[in-house]
Amino acid sequence: AQSVAQPEDQVNVAEGNPLTVKCTYSVSGNPYLFWYVQYPNRGLQFLLKYITGDNLVKGSYGFEAEFNKSQTSFHLKKPSALVSDSALYFCAVETGKLIFGQGTTLQVKP
Amino acid sequence: NAGVTQTPKFRVLKTGQSMTLLCAQDMNHEYMYWYRQDPGMGLRLIHYSVGEGTTAKGEVPDGYNVSRLKKQNFLLGLESAAPSQTSVYFCASQRGYEQYFGPGTRLTVT
Repeated sequence: AQSVAQPEDQVNVAEGNPLTVKCTYSVSGNPYLFWYVQYPNRGLQFLLKYITGDNLVKGSYGFEAEFNKSQTSFHLKKPSALVSDSALYFCAVETGKLIFGQGTTLQVKP
Repeated sequence: NAGVTQTPKFRVLKTGQSMTLLCAQDMNHEYMYWYRQDPGMGLRLIHYSVGEGTTAKGEVPDGYNVSRLKKQNFLLGLESAAPSQTSVYFCASQRGYEQYFGPGTRLTVT
């Protein structure tokens, strides 16, 4: 079965420090991978995607993600976290339809 | 552009009552989706549509019906609400690989 997993329910990081939110996937064939962010009481917003090409993809708000085929991972990263980055982050894989991970809450403390 | 809008924002139903959630998009997108979001479970696809007059079942379709009579609107119906349908419902439309989400409808069934 095709799936995506986010192993951490919550990630805590201090403002100014680098952050990583982890995602692993299980799909047959070449994966199309996505990150979405959800701020409180809002719908999801697209951050970035990997379809093909360079393994490091850049997205909105200074976020980037690294596709690693051998480790079947697509971790979200940012060099310097902001308090305003605090939100719920979802990894997703496209298999004709989007399959979402369970979400990771990112808490950035001043 | 308003993007994707959802009506209503909140609703409380008694078990057995019916209701319809309305999703509207002004971006001329062909693909539209209905998801439900429950804590710790990410987003799960209820139904989707690939164009006006078409609908298809997603991962959790039981207890829901949908209609796409006009391209810009995608309706989600609950014929006989159950407490298990207490959730936050999100509609989305898609362009390319990116989905655009509405702000959500918080439904409580007592």
